[in-house]
Amino acid sequence: GQQLNQSPQSMFIQEGEDVSMNCTSSSIFNTWLWYKQDPGEGPVLLIALYKAGELTSNGRLTAQFGITRKDSFLNISASIPSDVGIYFCAGLGSNYKLTFGKGTLLTVNP
Amino acid sequence: SAVISQKPSRDICQRGTSLTIQCQVDSQVTMMFWYRQQPGQSLTLIATANQGSEATYESGFVIDKFPISRPNLTFSTLTVSNMSPEDSSIYLCSVEARDSSYGYTFGSGTRLTVV
Repeated sequence: GQQLNQSPQSMFIQEGEDVSMNCTSSSIFNTWLWYKQDPGEGPVLLIALYKAGELTSNGRLTAQFGITRKDSFLNISASIPSDVGIYFCAGLGSNYKLTFGKGTLLTVNP
Repeated sequence: SAVISQKPSRDICQRGTSLTIQCQVDSQVTMMFWYRQQPGQSLTLIATANQGSEATYESGFVIDKFPISRPNLTFSTLTVSNMSPEDSSIYLCSVEARDSSYGYTFGSGTRLTVV
């Protein structure tokens, strides 16, 4: 089946620093999604990408859909303490099912 | 986007018993999905809940263990049957977003502990 490799597994950064995380896949996806999960909550959609090469921003977040449709990255600029959480990439295939990466745990030191 | 109400939010259950989790959406949706998130892990799709027909299960998940109902376009239930400690997880329902994002919206999850 499809698998997503998400890295890094965890990050410890200082407030104000920029963050970058990425996902690669062995298969092509039609849509890439990035989610954030806080403790005790379900994942919340941050950014959705629909076309190869697409670069999309949402405030301090920027994400890109790779040209090969097998990868995506998420950047967070000028991190703040509330950015703490687990970030998941997810690929949406032609079967309308999401495949999730293993997540990146982000810790921001104030 | 769609608003999902999932109940219960958490429960502690005895092994061998069953728990039914409810997922209510504030608008009609075609596709509803059930996921499991084991402690410290990512989300794994259990099944797609189909209105008017049996759910479609992913590899490793069977109807006898995780029966699903979908009586209408706004509601679904997932039952975790004959529970064992290995079933301790967060169970989440998800639906397609109805706004232009085309993402998938998740409920807040049911945190299940089996003792």
